[in-house]
This record gives sequence, C-alpha cells and structure tokens, in this order.
Amino acid sequence: EVQLVESGGDLIQPGGSLRLSCAASGFSVSSDYMTWVRQAPGKGLEWVSVTYSDENTHYADSVKGRFTISRDNSKNTLYLQMNSLRVDDTAVYYCASGSVGDWGQGTLVTVSS
Amino acid sequence: DIQMTQSPSAMSASVGDRVTITCRASQGISKYLAWIQQKPGKVPKRLIYTASTLQSGVPSRFSGSGSGTEFTLTISSLQPEDFATYYCLQHYSYPWTFGQGTKVEIK
Repeated sequence: EVQLVESGGDLIQPGGSLRLSCAASGFSVSSDYMTWVRQAPGKGLEWVSVTYSDENTHYADSVKGRFTISRDNSKNTLYLQMNSLRVDDTAVYYCASGSVGDWGQGTLVTVSS
Repeated sequence: DIQMTQSPSAMSASVGDRVTITCRASQGISKYLAWIQQKPGKVPKRLIYTASTLQSGVPSRFSGSGSGTEFTLTISSLQPEDFATYYCLQHYSYPWTFGQGTKVEIK
C-alpha cells in the first residue's frame, strides 16, 4: 500500500525558510515523478512543483527562485525547501505521486508575523 | 500558461441525479487531464486520469470523457458521499494548472 507522510509545516515569519519532507512507503520515490500541491485556507488547489527521476524539475511561477524540490532516494523521501516565505505562501502543502495519483495527508505552513 | 475553466462553479443536486461537470482548457492538452474529488476537511483524491481512466477503487458511476480542450466528468447517479468539490488538473505543459473547482451541494 502506498503511503505518503508529510512533515515540517510550522508557523514562520515572512522572509523565513522551511523544509518540508514527504516520507514514502509502498513504492520508491526514485521510480516515479513526485509533485507538491498546496491549498490556501478556503481556496482551491494550486500546483507547486514536480520532480522527475532524471532530476528534471519544474515550478509554478509564484514559487520559482524561492522553492526547491528534491529527493533522497536512500531515505525514500521527497523534500520542498522553501525560502523567502511570504504571507501568501500560507497553505496546506500536499505531496503526491505522479499525476497526483496518491496524496499525503498534508502539512500546514503558516507565514505570519 | 494553460487556463482551466470549470463549469459550473457550484451546483445543487439531489441524490440520484445525473451530474455533469465541464472543464475547458485554453489550449489543447491531449488527454493529460485528471479529475480530483475533495470532501470538506479531507485529502484530495484522484478519480479519473488520462481524461477517461477510472482510478482503481473508484465507483463506476464516475466517468470522464474528452480530449483536446473540452472534458467532462459525469456522475451517473449522485450518492450522498459524492457531495464534494471537484477539480480538473492539466499536466500537459508547465505550469500544471487546476480548474477553480466545482462544489456539488445537496438540493
């Protein structure tokens, strides 16, 4: 059974940094492309980033240059390094496998002073 | 960027109704489209991928169709557990984009 478990969400001040983790079990993160999606409070879903097994990565314009997606195959874990955080980055962040076939439970990031 | 426009944005329907939600892409996306269901306070769940392939475990009352720029999610007979918000997602080109969502409420 595929399981994705996110962690690392927190309350952080604007301009700060945070790293989210997504621990996978039941499959290998190195074998599939992995995605981050976020959802601001009361809003719809927003695609954030994707990484492929060949290390190719893509980002939403809203996070490009500030966020970095990566993976550690030895730990079977996906990461999202978030720098220069802004108030409008406040959201629940979900990791998902492939074209969002399986989802984690989400982790809440709150950016506020 | 490809814009995904869903219609309607919200609807009221009764148990047993046939429900159709449309998603239009601002340019052709072949069949690189997924439908996602999200119930309040819950994790999103993919129902359909490649426009018409039913995710394993999803009831057969859900179906998807379309290609290119126009896509449809159909619920053949709405059940109480189907009241939720539905999103389409294109993953044909970057940035991937979601539709704004369609909230299906109880009439």
